[in-house]
Amino acid sequence: AQSVTQPDIHITVSEGASLELRCNYSYGATPYLFWYVQSPGQGLQLLLKYFSGDTLVQGIKGFEAEFKRSQSSFNLRKPSVHWSDAAEYFCAVGYFSGGGADGLTFGKGTHLIIQP
Amino acid sequence: DTAVSQTPKYLVTQMGNDKSIKCEQNLGHDTMYWYKQDSKKFLKIMFSYNNKELIINETVPNRFSPKSPDKAHLNLHINSLELGDSAVYFCASRAPGGGEKLFFGSGTQLSVL
Repeated sequence: AQSVTQPDIHITVSEGASLELRCNYSYGATPYLFWYVQSPGQGLQLLLKYFSGDTLVQGIKGFEAEFKRSQSSFNLRKPSVHWSDAAEYFCAVGYFSGGGADGLTFGKGTHLIIQP
Repeated sequence: DTAVSQTPKYLVTQMGNDKSIKCEQNLGHDTMYWYKQDSKKFLKIMFSYNNKELIINETVPNRFSPKSPDKAHLNLHINSLELGDSAVYFCASRAPGGGEKLFFGSGTQLSVL
């Protein structure tokens, strides 16, 4: 069964500083990997996704993530955070068999706090 | 236009009641889902529904039942609500042909008193 681990429940970063959110996954096949952001009281917004090809993927809002198969990781990065980046961030692995149960398995999320 | 819409956005009700949450997608997708996000923000799949095939997460109580009147709708019915059902419920849909991007609704916050 697939699983996703986000080891950091909370992260506090100063505005303008760089950010890295960690994500490790467990999946028996080539993973489809996603990062979603959830602002307070809002739904989920897709930041970026990895299916294949270049292991460094660019997303919206200046975010990027790097897929490292050897480490089973898909860490999210941003060179300079803004106060508006404060939110909950979810890493997810997608399982799409075309016939059976499918969907996304989410990590438990990382709460990002931006301090002035 | 909203791609995946859920109603209501907030639902407050008493234990033992039966309630429904509606979900509609106007994207022409053929697979829809319900997810539950608990108080600790953990998202867990409840159901996936594709071409009349329902896949149920075995941990979901049978008080929960999805109903799909047509391809664009997947409503969630909950019978005999319990305190532990309080959570945010998200509907999502996926494009046909294996497109892996899920589109999420904005969520329904259910509070059971």
